[in-house]
Amino acid sequence: EAGVAQSPRYKIIEKRQSVAFWCNPISGHATLYWYQQILGQGPKLLIQFQNNGVVDDSQLPKDRFSAERLKGVDSTLKIQPAKLEDSAVYLCASSFGRGGSQPQHFGDGTRLSIL
Amino acid sequence: GENVEQHPSTLSVQEGDSAVIKCTYSDSASNYFPWYKQELGKRPQLIIDIRSNVGEKKDQRIAVTLNKTAKHFSLHITETQPEDSAVYFCAASTEGSQGNLIFGKGTKLSVKP
Repeated sequence: EAGVAQSPRYKIIEKRQSVAFWCNPISGHATLYWYQQILGQGPKLLIQFQNNGVVDDSQLPKDRFSAERLKGVDSTLKIQPAKLEDSAVYLCASSFGRGGSQPQHFGDGTRLSIL
Repeated sequence: GENVEQHPSTLSVQEGDSAVIKCTYSDSASNYFPWYKQELGKRPQLIIDIRSNVGEKKDQRIAVTLNKTAKHFSLHITETQPEDSAVYFCAASTEGSQGNLIFGKGTKLSVKP
């Protein structure tokens, strides 16, 4: 089966600019996650979708980050305006079912650098 | 909330030796413990997972053990090979739709030929 697809792979922007990332989960996976991975750390969850509804966005900095999954398949994550501390790899993951014990499969991520 | 501690942060072994990475968790309600391998610039890959109803799980050279009483779990890699070199992350989560994965900070494993 095809894996989780993400684009772009790399993005360089200046602070205060905006940026968007795209994710296409594994076919049939109802749950989609966005993670932020800062260099030298483990992934940290930003938001979880179940189909097109938000299950958990408690860790999402809502003053600058937004995400949507309008048709329950693809998702976009946006940052506006970007700050220096947003430099990280943004990973998308998906799982077949809901619940914390479902295996999650990750995409290759988008490496974001803020100048 | 859940907190996951992972040790060591770096581990260097000779090819053929065994490697052990340990994690502790704080939430006694956690019941799912996956391990991910991440090579430089690549996606985290699920290599093995264990649920709280079993104490040990093995897949070829990789095994995971879980001690629910002590709230710790470990990854064991036997007969290490240079291609095992990567960063390994442990994680923990609870059942339920908001049982999100909480990751450790990772262990960089280097296997010297």
